[in-house]
Amino acid sequence: AQSVTQLGSHVSVSEGALVLLRCNYSSSVPPYLFWYVQYPNQGLQLLLKYTSAATLVKGINGFEAEFKKSETSFHLTKPSAHMSDAAEYFCAVSVTGNTGKLIFGQGTTLQVKP
Amino acid sequence: ETGVTQSPTHLIKTRGQQVTLRCSSQSGHNTVSWYQQALGQGPQFIFQYYREEENGRGNFPPRFSGLQFPNYSSELNVNALELDDSALYLCASSLEGFSYEQYFGPGTRLTVT
Repeated sequence: AQSVTQLGSHVSVSEGALVLLRCNYSSSVPPYLFWYVQYPNQGLQLLLKYTSAATLVKGINGFEAEFKKSETSFHLTKPSAHMSDAAEYFCAVSVTGNTGKLIFGQGTTLQVKP
Repeated sequence: ETGVTQSPTHLIKTRGQQVTLRCSSQSGHNTVSWYQQALGQGPQFIFQYYREEENGRGNFPPRFSGLQFPNYSSELNVNALELDDSALYLCASSLEGFSYEQYFGPGTRLTVT
């Protein structure tokens, strides 16, 4: 069965510093992987997705993620944090081959300090 | 292009009551999925509708039911509300053949007292 684990429920960085949000997955089939961002009192916005093409995926707002099969990881990075990046981030895996049901991690809250 | 919309934004109900939440898909999308997001948790899959038929269901009891209409809009109905049903309910739409790529609405915040 597929599952997602996000390491660290809270991450705090200074403005301009590197952002690294960790995600590990478990899947018995080649996974499709996603990162979503959620701002307070809003729905989820797709940041980027991995669908078995290039292992380094670039998304919106300067974020990128690298699929590492050997480590079963899909960590999200951004070279330089901006105050507007403060939000909740969710990693998700798709149950491929059927409904496209998304299984989400518990989320990581990113705090950006001035 | 119109995004996913949901109504109402907020709702307060009493335990034991019934509630209906509504969702309009993004233009051109024919698949709708519903998720429940409890406070401080990631969203959990409730069910998906495709061509007006349920196309997969998560670990939710039968008192959670849904409908999809010919225009691809959808409803989520919850009967016999319990306190634990308090959550943000998210609707997501997607295209046939790309059901994994889901676009979410802003959600409906349901509070059960």
